[in-house]
Parts: sequence; C-alpha cells; structure tokens
Amino acid sequence: DAKTTQPTSMDCAEGRAANLPCNHSTISGNEYVYWYRQIHSQGPQYIIHGLKNNETNEMASLIITEDRKSSTLILPHATLRDTAVYYCIPRSGATNKLIFGTGTLLAVQP
Amino acid sequence: GAVVSQHPSWVICKSGTSVKIECRSLDFQATTMFWYRQFPKKSLMLMATSNEGSKATYEQGVEKDKFLINHASLTLSTLTVTSAHPEDSSFYICSASEGQGYSPLHFGNGTRLTVT
Repeated sequence: DAKTTQPTSMDCAEGRAANLPCNHSTISGNEYVYWYRQIHSQGPQYIIHGLKNNETNEMASLIITEDRKSSTLILPHATLRDTAVYYCIPRSGATNKLIFGTGTLLAVQP
Repeated sequence: GAVVSQHPSWVICKSGTSVKIECRSLDFQATTMFWYRQFPKKSLMLMATSNEGSKATYEQGVEKDKFLINHASLTLSTLTVTSAHPEDSSFYICSASEGQGYSPLHFGNGTRLTVT
C-alpha cells in the first residue's frame, strides 16, 4: 500500500477555502486517491475520490497532480462543522481495503 | 446515500465477559465488510475483512479467537469481543462497500466499548 504524508494540523478561517495537501509519491497506477474525514467520536465520512482527473462534488474538489504523486482537497467555503481529521488514502480495487494514516486535523476558526 | 448502521453505539461490560457488536448495511448489500478499532487520539487500525459466507481475514497481530467475526448475510456482520479485558476498551468501527472495485466504503458511527 502506498504511504501518505499529510500535515499534522491546519487552521482555516470560516468562509475561506481550505486546501489540504497530501503527498502519495509511491502510489501505484491502479490506486485511486480517496479522501475521508472524521469528526470527533464519529465514523469516517466519505468525501471524494479520483484517479488522475480533477474531481468535484457537492462537498469538495480534488486536484491531483499530473504525475499523481500528490493531491489537494479543497473545501471551497469552510464552516465550523468542517472541523475534523481529514485522511488521504490510496486504495487499490484489488484489495478493497482502506488503510488510514495519521491525517490532518483541520480547525476552522470563527 | 449508502447507510451503515452499528449497534450498540456504546457498551460497558465487566472483565471476562463477551460483547457482540452488529454492523448492518441498511440500503445495500455488502459481500465484504471491514472492522476497525481506534484508540484515543490515534488513527483507525484495520482489524479484519469480513466476507459473506466465508471466514474473515485478519490483519497481522489481530487475534482471531479473541475477535470473532461472523458475516452470515449480505447485510449483517458481527464482531464479538470474547473474554474482554480493560485493554480491549476502544472505539470499534465497521465499514462496507455497496459495490465492487472502487466503490467508496461507507462507515458506521462506531461502538464505544468500555471494559471495567
């Protein structure tokens, strides 16, 4: 499984865009990049995933570099409820597993 | 969207007793479910992969006789913590995928187990 590197923590002002980076330089060609978040004492919540094209849904946008070695999750207008630990996880369809790293604690400030 | 339900959300048990945790996929069928545990201020650790109709696959270092997994139907997997001890106190979380391949995994809201 590919290893990931994420900042331990980040702050963001309410209403501003939150840009969360992830380095996954050892990602394999068949691994998608998944993003989840976990609000305190809850189960992880799926946000978005992609292979090599940029993706957008109602929650966020995902920007993947052309070499696929890194990606950025963008929350366009952060709210206080977006305060959570955000995990970037490469995942192979063959194993189907999600192996969690340490993630980034995003603190949205009023 | 796909919903995964866990029950109970919290449980307290005495040392030496066994506790069963249920994980249900409410609006989809899941041939595979996954069980995780999480200690305070730590990340989720994958314990095992639960396969409908066959034996679970455990991650290295997880005792299969301690953590019994049964996946008897396409919508239900259970985790039984046998002869629980205080060090088994943790947050247990299950997940399931509504399809094969790259379909996202959806997670339950977890079960907080406290062993006294």
